Amino acid sequence: QSVLTQPPSVSGAPGQRVTISCTGSSSNIGAGYDVHWYQQLPGTAPKLLIYGNNNRPSGFPDRFSGSKSGTSASLAITGLQAEDEADYYCQSYDASLTGYNYVFGTGTKVTVI
Amino acid sequence: QVQLQQSGPGLVKPSQTLSVTCAISGDSVSSNSATWNWIRQSPSRGLEWLGRTYYRSKWHNDYAESVKSRITANPDTSRNQFSLQLNSVTPEDTAVYYCARGADYYDSSGNLFLEAFDFWGQGTMVTVSS
Repeated sequence: QSVLTQPPSVSGAPGQRVTISCTGSSSNIGAGYDVHWYQQLPGTAPKLLIYGNNNRPSGFPDRFSGSKSGTSASLAITGLQAEDEADYYCQSYDASLTGYNYVFGTGTKVTVI
Repeated sequence: QVQLQQSGPGLVKPSQTLSVTCAISGDSVSSNSATWNWIRQSPSRGLEWLGRTYYRSKWHNDYAESVKSRITANPDTSRNQFSLQLNSVTPEDTAVYYCARGADYYDSSGNLFLEAFDFWGQGTMVTVSS
């Protein structure tokens, strides 16, 4: 169903850096549409983490950063902390389907080991 | 601070209509800069955007192709809320349903980014079962 592909899981020790990829195509990320990232803590609604590819809303530390290149985007978490354990989703727009189409990634579970 | 409070039944029978309401505080459903969205989440389909309602001199709706024939998203200006109705449901419509505000964000040069969902309701688990 999802047109944006993410790795199912990534893990890292406290203090390490992890990255999450979001792979799209020429009809979404590659077409120039922006990418947003959301953090979903267990049992809660997603929360906007990164907007416009690499901008953080107030409330999230600068340990979180985003980037976009070609048909892909990435989320990096540096100085990994236990509280970062969550599911992370990318989101963009896809122009290949009829109608209006916001699309989400498949989601990545981050585990702090 | 914007808050979205959802309400609605947790169990719907197959072929019937699913209804969820989202009450807004801290913003207006008639805002000329926000949109009001419905998104669902299930293990099989992940996060799926369903549709939105918004006001830009008049009311507009956009719907995902996957549910376009069955969905209605309506504003209720008297109560400052909006609602989702999904007709002819099947067990595949079992999911957590979220309402979310879509908002415009700009870069330092004033360029507009793709709309982002910056405030979400708490979610409503809806099970379709007889």
